[in-house]
Amino acid sequence: DAGVTQSPTHLIKTRGQQVTLRCSPKSGHDTVSWYQQALGQGPQFIFQYYEEEERQRGNFPDRFSGHQFPNYSSELNVNALLLGDSALYLCASSPRGLLGYEQYFGPGTRLTVT
Amino acid sequence: EDKVVQSPLSLVVHEGDTVTLNCSYEVTNFRSLLWYKQEKKAPTFLFMLTSSGIEKKSGRLSSILDKKELFSILNITATQTGDSAIYLCAVHQGRGGSNYKLTFGKGTLLTVNP
Repeated sequence: DAGVTQSPTHLIKTRGQQVTLRCSPKSGHDTVSWYQQALGQGPQFIFQYYEEEERQRGNFPDRFSGHQFPNYSSELNVNALLLGDSALYLCASSPRGLLGYEQYFGPGTRLTVT
Repeated sequence: EDKVVQSPLSLVVHEGDTVTLNCSYEVTNFRSLLWYKQEKKAPTFLFMLTSSGIEKKSGRLSSILDKKELFSILNITATQTGDSAIYLCAVHQGRGGSNYKLTFGKGTLLTVNP
């Protein structure tokens, strides 16, 4: 049973560029959430996707956008990259139908903006 | 504003010691509190707590929630070097039947020296 997978594992971009990160949820899960974890900080919620729609959003600017596909996989897009966007980006999946359910995390994508 | 505060932020102990990690929270629509261990990248799930006063136990780790005083503790007895990691506390917030989001604390960095 495959867990949550993310690609790529590492990425180096230049300020002003755009980046797309990808996530495949754990088998049986249909809800995907994205988190940003800066060095020395806990993960911060970016947004959550269910039924191909953004359901909830944290305090992130519109430069951060996402998409969910019919197979439940998801993409996170960041435009006009800033140095401060350098972080570990984590994807978590969960089944929507169960209440109070723990989310399973992928290994993350380490983004470095130079 | 939703807030999850962990203390201490870092802790250094010797193998065999017992440690207590703290997590206090002020959030809306509380559903459950979760503890994660993060060694390299993906946080791995330890416990989910929904009811006050009921201890969850797994080997040398245990945790309890106090919903009146809005805090939780994570205890690790007879620590081992393999327990060295960042321990994250997160509060799961939700309304109705929807998975909502996790709000994380900054984590406690535990270092266990031989």
